[in-house]
Amino acid sequence: ETGVTQTPRHLVMGMTNKKSLKCEQHLGHNAMYWYKQSAKKPLELMFVYSLEERVENNSVPSRFSPECPNSSHLFLHLHTLQPEDSALYLCASSQAAVPGNQPQHFGDGTRLSIL
Amino acid sequence: GIQVEQSPPDLILQEGANSTLRCNFSDSVNNLQWFHQNPWGQLINLFYIPSGTKQNGRLSATTVATERYSLLYISSSQTTDSGVYFCAVNRDDKIIFGKGTRLHILP
Repeated sequence: ETGVTQTPRHLVMGMTNKKSLKCEQHLGHNAMYWYKQSAKKPLELMFVYSLEERVENNSVPSRFSPECPNSSHLFLHLHTLQPEDSALYLCASSQAAVPGNQPQHFGDGTRLSIL
Repeated sequence: GIQVEQSPPDLILQEGANSTLRCNFSDSVNNLQWFHQNPWGQLINLFYIPSGTKQNGRLSATTVATERYSLLYISSSQTTDSGVYFCAVNRDDKIIFGKGTRLHILP
């Protein structure tokens, strides 16, 4: 139990569907992150939120839309995804908003498959 | 940008063996972390170690920031140690992960 919960664990969707990934942290952290892990590639940082404000967007396509309604919850809204978007999406949280300045705690991830 | 290289890419060991995983980085960094991703995809923070040596049970890590490398030691390996070990460095408010070392411990 890492204190970071992601749902759903698995998601299969068509390219025209709209779905959302959810992340919730129970650690009292101020920052939350979305990462993408594709097969045979390093983890890629997608978005960073600090105190509900987006502070980082690593050139992610607009078909991925994050939302952070409060410091404990983070969503990733998905629409018109492409097959290459199939990956493991990991959420993390930390005390500080600068990735790497404080230890990050990861959720178990959502494995996304695009048909 | 900064490059993070991990070696070896794959490692197969018998249970009980010791191992050393290496992380090289191409420029100075602010921080370094080691993570273990188990076969189910769960990613666990092992060490937060910008410099020096830390130990946690059978695992220890050493970072020599001036020489731009970090080592993760696993002693008396167990099958539950199997998975991928990532190092990640922080530089200029960016975090960069290596490609990982895939470790397989045979019973």
